[in-house]
Amino acid sequence: GQQVMQIPQYQHVQEGEDFTTYCNSSTTLSNIQWYKQRPGGHPVFLIQLVKSGEVKKQKRLTFQFGEAKKNSSLHITATQTTDVGTYFCAGQDSGYSTLTFGKGTMLLVSP
Amino acid sequence: NAGVTQTPKFRILKIGQSMTLQCTQDMNHNYMYWYRQDPGMGLKLIYYSVGAGITDKGEVPNGYNVSRSTTEDFPLRLELAAPSQTSVYFCASSYSGQGLLQPQHFGDGTRLSIL
Repeated sequence: GQQVMQIPQYQHVQEGEDFTTYCNSSTTLSNIQWYKQRPGGHPVFLIQLVKSGEVKKQKRLTFQFGEAKKNSSLHITATQTTDVGTYFCAGQDSGYSTLTFGKGTMLLVSP
Repeated sequence: NAGVTQTPKFRILKIGQSMTLQCTQDMNHNYMYWYRQDPGMGLKLIYYSVGAGITDKGEVPNGYNVSRSTTEDFPLRLELAAPSQTSVYFCASSYSGQGLLQPQHFGDGTRLSIL
């Protein structure tokens, strides 16, 4: 079945440093979504990417979808303490009705 | 806006007991999902439904059952609770059009301990 690998598992940065998490799928995806989960909270949708090579920005967050639609990345510029949480990617295989979630990258930001 | 509502928020069960986790959504979404999340792990799909009267197994369905009699409700039943079912359970809903899944909306979760 489809597998979605996410690296790193954990990253600790100083406030102001940049952060990147990477997501790789074993299959070609029709759709990749990113979610953020704060400690003790539930996953909250951030962005959806559908097109090959797509790049989307949300303020300090930049999301990319690879040309082959098998990988994606999330880059945060100049992290803030409010960025703390676990970031998950979730991919949809063509013809499937479900998303497969990666294990997530936990981000800790020290002031 | 209520979104996705899960009850209860916390529960402690004894081994062998049964219970139903409730989930309801008010967004008229056709798709609904049940996930479990173990500490430090991602979300594993238990069951999902693409519409009222239609359910299907996910990655980890053993020990669970679901039903979808209405668009709004998607309860998850544990028949014989086992310690391995200690986890946080999330219900989610989304809309799907032309085969493309739209963003999932999650409930606040049910924290379940089996002792």
